[in-house]
Amino acid sequence: QVQLVQSGAEVKKPGSSVKVSCEASGGTFRTHAINWVRQAPGQGLEWMGEIIPMFGISNYAQDFKARVTISADEVTRTAYMELSSLRFDDTAVYYCATGRLQGAGTPLDYWGQGALVTVSS
Amino acid sequence: EIVMTQSPVTLSVSPGERATLSCRASQSVSSNLAWYQQKPGQAPRLLIYAASTRATGVPARFSGSGFGTDFTLTISSLQSEDFAVYYCQQFNNWPRTFGQGTKVEV
Repeated sequence: QVQLVQSGAEVKKPGSSVKVSCEASGGTFRTHAINWVRQAPGQGLEWMGEIIPMFGISNYAQDFKARVTISADEVTRTAYMELSSLRFDDTAVYYCATGRLQGAGTPLDYWGQGALVTVSS
Repeated sequence: EIVMTQSPVTLSVSPGERATLSCRASQSVSSNLAWYQQKPGQAPRLLIYAASTRATGVPARFSGSGFGTDFTLTISSLQSEDFAVYYCQQFNNWPRTFGQGTKVEV
């Protein structure tokens, strides 16, 4: 059984950056894609990108490609999502999620608890 | 980018009734489709993957069908705990897009 524990809520100024962490316990970290999904207040789910830690290669949604960096540390079993040039409409809950199956393009069985990022002046 | 369109946006049903939710992809995703349930204040929960396979621990009243571009999630007899928002997601292509969700309410 995999558990994903995310870092806590953050309040950021417009134009700044935020880095959210996601620590995995159980399962095999290095071969399973860690996905990042966000949800603005009252809105739906938006896929941001994913990384397979053993390859260190990320894939991003076009809407975020210029501003997001997803990384992973195999030693600490922790994935990171950094979003830069924050705007008010980046206010959202950011989730990390992964699946039981190895590789990319797998359904998301396990989710972190979410990290609320509030962008406010 | 593959656009996932769910219908209806809101589905009003009574406990014990059958609920049918639809998800359409703008191009074929084969059977690489999942359904998730989300309740207020909670992370999504995987219900169905590979279009029709129930995830571990999901009750048999949930079933999925479809292939290619048209998919259906059926809840055979709604229980009180099933009132929630349901999302489909394709994982055939990048980006792994979600539908906008269907809210199942009383």
